[in-house]
Amino acid sequence: SQQGEEDPQALSIQEGENATMNCSYKTSINNLQWYRQNSGRGLVHLILIRSNEREKHSGRLRVTLDTSKKSSSLLITASRAADTASYFCATDRQGGSEKLVFGKGTKLTVNP
Amino acid sequence: KAGVTQTPRYLIKTRGQQVTLSCSPISGHRSVSWYQQTPGQGLQFLFEYFSETQRNKGNFPGRFSGRQFSNSRSEMNVSTLELGDSALYLCASSAQLDTQYFGPGTRLTVL
Repeated sequence: SQQGEEDPQALSIQEGENATMNCSYKTSINNLQWYRQNSGRGLVHLILIRSNEREKHSGRLRVTLDTSKKSSSLLITASRAADTASYFCATDRQGGSEKLVFGKGTKLTVNP
Repeated sequence: KAGVTQTPRYLIKTRGQQVTLSCSPISGHRSVSWYQQTPGQGLQFLFEYFSETQRNKGNFPGRFSGRQFSNSRSEMNVSTLELGDSALYLCASSAQLDTQYFGPGTRLTVL
């Protein structure tokens, strides 16, 4: 079962623009992670934010976490064509039997 | 360090057969998890092994099983394959409780 829901399901932007993806989840978490997947290949870990953190940065990535709203957002600044991929949020649920629970992802297309 | 490796990368089987997939974690990682990815259900957790013991299990039928060896390498087995088992099977390893590093996956097609 999906813990998270990403929004939007698909996003198309021009190079240089910022891309924002949102993730909502249902239960209390230990941490939330964002992954990128290129065209049916393996997942690449982007960033992990713990439940006691509110914001984290890594290069052009900025992740926020609002545990009161059970939501997170991933911002990619100054997008490049190489950022075209599917982006997934995954939660490590408190007391959960799963290792990680993934949302269905946002498919980002960055047009050159 | 070398990344997570999975073999084979592609596999075609017929209904009723069984299949074994292999995963070699990053050196030093003792936790290995398996996930199934399909267009309909997305990414779903299968199971996690740590020090040769199954630590967590997802909601999959008993046809799906796995094991981990003393060198942390892991295998998963699917018996009596069904058409719906066609998927990308991803393996991930981690050193601590948090960040998981994924392999390239094994694309299984069941005919």
